[in-house]
Amino acid sequence: DADVTQTPRNRITKTGKRIMLECSQTKGHDRMYWYRQDPGLGLRLIYYSFDVKDINKGEISDGYSVSRQAQAKFSLSLESAIPNQTALYFCATSDSPGQGGTDTQYFGPGTRLTVL
Amino acid sequence: QKEVEQDPGPLSVPEGAIVSLNCTYSNSAFQYFMWYRQYSRKGPELLMYTYSSGNKEDGRFTAQVDKSSKYISLFIRDSQPSDSATYLCAMSRYSGGGADGLTFGKGTHLIIQP
Repeated sequence: DADVTQTPRNRITKTGKRIMLECSQTKGHDRMYWYRQDPGLGLRLIYYSFDVKDINKGEISDGYSVSRQAQAKFSLSLESAIPNQTALYFCATSDSPGQGGTDTQYFGPGTRLTVL
Repeated sequence: QKEVEQDPGPLSVPEGAIVSLNCTYSNSAFQYFMWYRQYSRKGPELLMYTYSSGNKEDGRFTAQVDKSSKYISLFIRDSQPSDSATYLCAMSRYSGGGADGLTFGKGTHLIIQP
């Protein structure tokens, strides 16, 4: 089974609808991230969470909200979707920095969201 | 000026060639440098992770960091058709991305011709 899973994998919705994207991980990592990827713009950070009680805005948080329900679950919500939120969304996880080893980010398979 | 610049390609080379992929950056505070590979419709997967300047080799892949020039490279030797993918450079000030997350290049689309 994949270490980082995202649901749904594909979603088409209409302008104004509320959408939730979910991310679950079995890696036991404390840190979780949401990115969006757009052609020509690369990956950009939306929100990140260092633990269940710690939520922080990233580079492009406007129009999005998140919820860290548990160490293993981190959800991204679009309260009122708009067409320019059409993109590929990735969840990522990383361990907390510590002595030895790497604490790099591991990505889920992505959710392709289309807002009509 | 963008924080991280990466030529989007596409870069097309014949099988067996040595491939050179590059990124330049402007933030001298970046200390951690990564290369991710992303196949179509998949999430990025980590290829190489380096700290500060120097070289790191892993099989057919070599990552180089030149902090004085703010320039990083990924070399692929004996390239294979399975190496065809988009390669993303990423960097951060803090280990694991820290409070800033990772700053990514836009990715270079690489095509290895059989």
